Amino acid sequence: GEDVEQSLFLSVREGDSSVINCTYTDSSSTYLYWYKQEPGAGLQLLTYIFSNMDMKQDQRLTVLLNKKDKHLSLRIADTQTGDSAIYFCAEIVWNYGGSQGNLIFGKGTKLSVKP
Amino acid sequence: DVKVTQSSRYLVKRTGEKVFLECVQDMDHENMFWYRQDPGLGLRLIYFSYDVKMKEKGDIPEGYSVSREKKERFSLILESASTNQTSMYLCASSFATRSQYFGPGTRLTVL
Repeated sequence: GEDVEQSLFLSVREGDSSVINCTYTDSSSTYLYWYKQEPGAGLQLLTYIFSNMDMKQDQRLTVLLNKKDKHLSLRIADTQTGDSAIYFCAEIVWNYGGSQGNLIFGKGTKLSVKP
Repeated sequence: DVKVTQSSRYLVKRTGEKVFLECVQDMDHENMFWYRQDPGLGLRLIYFSYDVKMKEKGDIPEGYSVSREKKERFSLILESASTNQTSMYLCASSFATRSQYFGPGTRLTVL
């Protein structure tokens, strides 16, 4: 079945770049997502990338997609203490002949930013 | 801005009680989802709904039921709460093939 894998922890120093990696299994996934969860809160959609793209940049965030290796990464430039959170990677899987989609989430990577 | 609200942020119930968790979205989304989140297990899908009065089982539906009488509202019901249902419950909504938007979560403790 579909599976999304990501490392559980990442620790960086303030001002450094953070790179969170993710691998997925469904080659038919057309959208891949990154969500952020701050302590005690729900998930906040950070960004997504369509499968025909290799890269997407949005301010300090850069998403890289290697479709051949089914590898997705999220780079956060100039990481700040406010970026400390859990980051979830997710792929979309299709139901009902492709008219509806559910998300399969990784277990999340806890990013700790040290001052 | 999409807004997904959940009826309670924190809830404490006793074993055997019937528990209702309510979720409301204001963006006319067709799809709504209930997840539970536990340390080390990530998010697990309990139930989802693609339309009013429609429901589908997710990965862990046992011990739960849902109700979708109106498009904007999706309720999760624990018929007889048990201690292993202590968890963080997250509701989400989306258009058919688009991004899911999450509510703030309900942390449920069953004593």
